[in-house]
Parts: sequence; C-alpha cells; structure tokens
Amino acid sequence: QVLLVQSGAEVKKPGSSVRVTCKASGITVRSYVISWVRQAPGQGLEWMGGIISLFGTAHYAQRFQGRLTITADASTTTVNMDLNNLRSEDTAIYYCVKGGYANWFDPWGQGTQVTVSS
Amino acid sequence: VLTQSPATLSLSPGERATLSCRASQSVSSSLAWYQQKPGQAPRLLIYDASARATGVPARFSGSGSGTDFTLTISNLQPEDFAIYYCQQRGPVTFGQGTRLEIK
Repeated sequence: QVLLVQSGAEVKKPGSSVRVTCKASGITVRSYVISWVRQAPGQGLEWMGGIISLFGTAHYAQRFQGRLTITADASTTTVNMDLNNLRSEDTAIYYCVKGGYANWFDPWGQGTQVTVSS
Repeated sequence: VLTQSPATLSLSPGERATLSCRASQSVSSSLAWYQQKPGQAPRLLIYDASARATGVPARFSGSGSGTDFTLTISNLQPEDFAIYYCQQRGPVTFGQGTRLEIK
C-alpha cells in the first residue's frame, strides 16, 4: 500500500521560497509519477506540476513556469516541491499525490499548509 | 474547462444525489471523481468515468462520456456529505466542485 507523507507547515515572507517534501513508501515499481496539487483557502484544487521518478523529468502548469521546481530522489523515494518568489496568493494547502500524466491521482499525501505573510 | 453543477446540493440521508460535470470539449471517458471531507485530502472515487476505486462503496456510480458526466450516490449516508470534484487528464483540470450538504 502506497503512503505519502509530507513535511510540516511553513510560514514564509513574501518574496521568499519554500520547499515541501513528500516521502513515498510502499512503491514497488521503479517508475512512478508524483504530482503536486494545491488548494487555497475555501477554493478548489489546482494542479501545479508532476515528475516521473525514473527520468527525473518534470512538467509544470503554465502559470507556475519559472517559479516552480519539482525534483525526485529515486534512492529515497522522496519528491521535493520548491516554489520561489512567494506572494500572499500562494497561501494554500499543498498536496503531493501519486499520479498525473496517464494516471489518476491516488493516493494523496496529508497536505502541507504554506502561509505567506509579512 | 470542467463545469460542475449544482454548486451546492442539499439532500437528506437515504436520498439519491446526482452531480454533473460538463467538459468544454470531449474527453472521451478520461474523467475521474474525488471526494473531499473537511480537513482531509481528496480521495479518488471514480476513474475512467465509471470504474470505482478500491474500497469505494457500490452506492457510488459514475456514468457518461464525451462532454457530459454524472456521479450518482444512491441511499446517501451521513459520511457522504462532502465536496466532490471531477477531473480530466489532458491537460489536468479540476472542476470547481459541488458541495453536498445535509438538508
């Protein structure tokens, strides 16, 4: 059974960067896809991007191009999401989720609250 | 673009819920439904328009293809009151959600 465990809540200043980590366990295949989806307070779900673990190839939603970097460490089955130049509108819960590209999103990590405030 | 309707649906336990998701262009059968309860991560319910994910009760069913899709929940249970999102794969897009609340 796949389990995704994310790093803890973060409070950041505008203009700074944040890294959220997702540790996967129970994955038995060499290649898998992990995506990041965020949810602003009281809002819906927004796909940010995803990475194929085997190749380390990441794809990003256009609105995050240039600000978002997703990396994977296959040896530790860990995926990192780095978002820079933070603004207040980036305040949200960030979820890692197995899936993306040709796969549906399942399962999900527990979510990480990122708050951007001066 | 995925458009869900209604935005809010108020029903009583035991009733049947019908949630709609409309795509702006055909997605064939490449559509999923997720359930999200307060304070929790979303959960996959239905994929490929009509296949139930592992562990999902049989009272949840999905139908449709092309641009029009439906999630039906028969005999509503108290734990079914939540927000439901539809999602397409290429490009990855979520609907804005339907809130299913207790009447």
